Amino acid sequence: GQQVMQIPQYQHVQEGEDFTTYCNSSTTLSNIQWYKQRPGGHPVFLIQLVKSGEVKKQKRLTFQFGEAKKNSSLHITATQTTDVGTYFCAGPTSGTYKYIFGTGTRLKVLA
Amino acid sequence: DVKVTQSSRYLVKRTGEKVFLECVQDMDHENMFWYRQDPGLGLRLIYFSYDVKMKEKGDIPEGYSVSREKKERFSLILESASTNQTSMYLCASSLEWQMNTEAFFGQGTRLTVV
Repeated sequence: GQQVMQIPQYQHVQEGEDFTTYCNSSTTLSNIQWYKQRPGGHPVFLIQLVKSGEVKKQKRLTFQFGEAKKNSSLHITATQTTDVGTYFCAGPTSGTYKYIFGTGTRLKVLA
Repeated sequence: DVKVTQSSRYLVKRTGEKVFLECVQDMDHENMFWYRQDPGLGLRLIYFSYDVKMKEKGDIPEGYSVSREKKERFSLILESASTNQTSMYLCASSLEWQMNTEAFFGQGTRLTVV
């Protein structure tokens, strides 16, 4: 079946360093969403990308959707301790209601 | 604000018990989902429903069933709980996937089967 993998699985950074997580799907995605899950919390929606090659920014976060719509990335500039959590990408299989989540990248920020 | 409420935050059940996990959403969403979350495996889809009484299997439906008798409520049933079903269970709802809308999650139920 369809798989959505994320790398790295874990990342520890010093506060102020940049961070990037990559998301790769085995099939084409009609759109991709990113979620953040704080420790002990539930996933919360961050953003959605729809178009091939699309880039969106939210303050220090930059999201990109690949040209082939099979991969995506989330880049955080100058991380802060509030960025701690697990970041998931997610996307629906084309033509279905089935929504697949990536394996997640767990970010720790050291002050 | 959209609210997705799961009936229990923590649950401990014995092997072989029938377990019911309840989820209620208050925004008249069409779609509801059950995921389980395990370290290193992300969120894996168990079942989803796109309408009342409609259900579709996700990636790991074995050992589970679901019920959606009312639009706002989606129940996950573990027919005979086993220790490998110890996990965090997350319910989610969305207005309409094909309109590319975000999912709203409940707070999760951490189930331990002993």
